[in-house]
Amino acid sequence: DIQMTQSPSTLSASVGDRVTITCRASQSIGHWLAWYQQKPGKAPNLLIYKASYLQNGVPSRFSGSGSGTEFTLTVSSLQPDDFAFYYCQQYNDTYAFGQGTKLEIK
Amino acid sequence: QVQLVQSGAEAKKPGASVKISCKTSGYTFTSHAIHWVRQAPGQRLEWMGWTHVGNGNVKYSQKFQGRVTLSQDTSATTAYMELSSLTSEDTAVYYCARDVRREKTDFWGQGTLVTVSS
Repeated sequence: DIQMTQSPSTLSASVGDRVTITCRASQSIGHWLAWYQQKPGKAPNLLIYKASYLQNGVPSRFSGSGSGTEFTLTVSSLQPDDFAFYYCQQYNDTYAFGQGTKLEIK
Repeated sequence: QVQLVQSGAEAKKPGASVKISCKTSGYTFTSHAIHWVRQAPGQRLEWMGWTHVGNGNVKYSQKFQGRVTLSQDTSATTAYMELSSLTSEDTAVYYCARDVRREKTDFWGQGTLVTVSS
């Protein structure tokens, strides 16, 4: 099974900061990677699919990049609504999620 | 608009089974697959399986093979997930989500809390 590892586990940042979250796959997954935002008690919300495609309705401050085994999610200028958990998900071989990154207010 | 509405919270005893429904609307039910994902308290999301409701194809995660059954009622545009032989480790929120051509999973249900306790 393909394992997904995110870093960091927790990220402290301020409104207006540029932040990056990394996701590594245990083997190549091409571009079959998605990023989700999840808030407590809510379902995940799709941000990015196929590594770099922005989902409809998602603000353009979110962007994704990478291929193969290393991927990043970048938020160009944090807004108050962005403080949440973020998960990557591979879907090259079945489906598997990273362990999550908590983005918290510094 | 696309909506996936799941059935309500369940409380089960160890060894029992649970069946969760996912009522869809706002799109052609048979044109998309439905994924099932769960999240135990404080844990990462965990993929359980998917069913393409149009052709009946089903794929299960190896972890749940033999314990999970995915099905659908196309006339009711509803998908179902049944999990058997429950243990306390199955306590989690269970989600259904719509697949788009295996490119993305774009709409999710609100989640169903299943609590397994003696």
